[in-house]
Amino acid sequence: GAVVSQHPSWVICKSGTSVKIECRSLDFQATTMFWYRQFPKKSLMLMATSNEGSKATYEQGVEKDKFLINHASLTLSTLTVTSAHPEDSSFYICSAPAGITNYGYTFGSGTRLTVV
Amino acid sequence: GESVGLHLPTLSVQEGDNSIINCAYSNSASDYFIWYKQESGKGPQFIIDIRSNMDKRQGQRVTVLLNKTVKHLSLQIAATQPGDSAVYFCAENRDSGNTPLVFGKGTRLSVIA
Repeated sequence: GAVVSQHPSWVICKSGTSVKIECRSLDFQATTMFWYRQFPKKSLMLMATSNEGSKATYEQGVEKDKFLINHASLTLSTLTVTSAHPEDSSFYICSAPAGITNYGYTFGSGTRLTVV
Repeated sequence: GESVGLHLPTLSVQEGDNSIINCAYSNSASDYFIWYKQESGKGPQFIIDIRSNMDKRQGQRVTVLLNKTVKHLSLQIAATQPGDSAVYFCAENRDSGNTPLVFGKGTRLSVIA
């Protein structure tokens, strides 16, 4: 139980275009979703926290107008990278508190974004 | 926070040996800790967790030790297998539930067959 499905698993896009990444909670309601970014050989860095029905909270240094987060339902949170540039190429991962003992947080499988 | 520019430290062990991966955490108020395994191109996979009211917890082939005095966490893997090769991250959290996990720098474990 407590599965988060993340799509796409990888995407290649041209500079200047926008890319949407979706995370769906399959068997539980995710009122909160955390979005992380991971550069090669580095750790996961929190970008923002989305809450269903309200505005996302962004970490310092993360441009909210560039990384648009929508959490319109209890089972879907999306991250849109707008006007993508090569430096946005990274691995993006979502995570939700699953509220289950020993598995307090569940992670999506990640999205590899390559901007060319 | 994460130090920009540092590469992941690597631990190489022989198959069958025990592995010990260490992690220092920064927030003395953290009360929940998790170890994750991450294989290339995949999301983090839960290994084991521990709460601050404990100093040791055992799972199958894995043990987590918590030393709150020096803010140190370790993961011990017994009889390391080639399938254990991955990057391991510790993560900490305060008020577990709706606050995000903060990840450590990570350690790459390479198992030599």
